[in-house]
Amino acid sequence: DTGVSQNPRHKITKRGQNVTFRCDPISEHNRLYWYRQTLGQGPEFLTYFQNEAQLEKSRLLSDRFSAERPKGSFSTLEIQRTEQGDSAMYLCASSLQTGNTIYFGEGSWLTVV
Amino acid sequence: AQSVTQPDIHITVSEGASLELRCNYSYGATPYLFWYVQSPGQGLQLLLKYFSGDTLVQGIKGFEAEFKRSQSSFNLRKPSVHWSDAAEYFCAVGSGGDYKLSFGAGTTVTVRA
Repeated sequence: DTGVSQNPRHKITKRGQNVTFRCDPISEHNRLYWYRQTLGQGPEFLTYFQNEAQLEKSRLLSDRFSAERPKGSFSTLEIQRTEQGDSAMYLCASSLQTGNTIYFGEGSWLTVV
Repeated sequence: AQSVTQPDIHITVSEGASLELRCNYSYGATPYLFWYVQSPGQGLQLLLKYFSGDTLVQGIKGFEAEFKRSQSSFNLRKPSVHWSDAAEYFCAVGSGGDYKLSFGAGTTVTVRA
């Protein structure tokens, strides 16, 4: 069990650029989640996958955001045309199916300048 | 909709003293409740969780929490804090089916010598 892995850990980008974050869940975990956390706030749910299927998306996930989980393993979160308001920590988490703990990664910090 | 309130934004406690962090939730059905801890710039670590059964749950690092349905509360306690307990603590509530978590805004704990 190597834990949930996220990269890059930090990303500074100029407004208008695209960024992509990758998440590798704990092996055998078929559920994968993305959350966003801004300074002074708790994490907010963005989306989750069961295997390769994206089952729910928050209204926070605007059309500039897209998440994928091809083959039901790792996942990517892409933000297009970044805005300063996108600056946050993006947390990935994974779990087995219902009845199990959600494990979080270390997060990917995004700063949009 | 589910929600969590953590009334205390910041708590300062002396090393060796007891600690109690408050959490109130709003959820229509039986809640699934969690406490996570986050060190600066890091991801979330699960301290403990309540799904059902005994309302007093034990967690890691000497923490415990008590579920009180009548008060819609899930307060976290530790009898004697250590300097390493300085961190931000988040209470979260999840729905049974998909474990989409709703987090409180967090309580920052400072430990003074």
